Amino acid sequence: GQQLNQSPQSMFIQEGEDVSMNCTSSSIFNTWLWYKQDPGEGPVLLIALYKAGELTSNGRLTAQFGITRKDSFLNISASIPSDVGIYFCAGFNAGGTSYGKLTFGQGTILTVHP
Amino acid sequence: DGGITQSPKYLFRKEGQNVTLSCEQNLNHDAMYWYRQDPGQGLRLIYYSQIVNDFQKGDIAEGYSVSREKKESFPLTVTSAQKNPTAFYLCASSPAGGGRNSPLHFGNGTRLTVT
Repeated sequence: GQQLNQSPQSMFIQEGEDVSMNCTSSSIFNTWLWYKQDPGEGPVLLIALYKAGELTSNGRLTAQFGITRKDSFLNISASIPSDVGIYFCAGFNAGGTSYGKLTFGQGTILTVHP
Repeated sequence: DGGITQSPKYLFRKEGQNVTLSCEQNLNHDAMYWYRQDPGQGLRLIYYSQIVNDFQKGDIAEGYSVSREKKESFPLTVTSAQKNPTAFYLCASSPAGGGRNSPLHFGNGTRLTVT
């Protein structure tokens, strides 16, 4: 199956720094999602994007749906220790036969040093 | 509280044995999914079910089987035919329609180790 290219694979930052990560695809999606996974737990939805060009915020998190519909970006401002975890992007095409089948990126492992 | 429950959290099996992972949801969701997670890789879809008594193969279904006899339950059996069964398995569910307001909700996973 297709995969998304997510980068960077890992990040080591100091508390208070801003973080950026992105996802690119060879295929178009009409929905982009960003999830966070804490160690030993399931991913939790952070932000959902439904329209090309859309910019959505959730607290210190901001995500954008790329104009080409083949990419998405996630920014975290003023990072804190609890931001540690794995961040996944996921794309899917709502409706039709895809029926909620998500395609996931490989994940970005974020480490925040106090 | 509504949610998805996966059990057990950790599972150990000998090579050659079949093992069944449990997934139960009380969110009244129609669709349920099984994903496999390996280090350094994204989640890969094993099987999914849109409705009771119906399920479809995902991208890596070989060596796995599922059933959907009840709306709330979607157990996954890892058979001896699966070449590399050791992994973290995640169950998810979503409301009907698979549309824009139907993002996946995940359980907390089962870590299977086969030796």
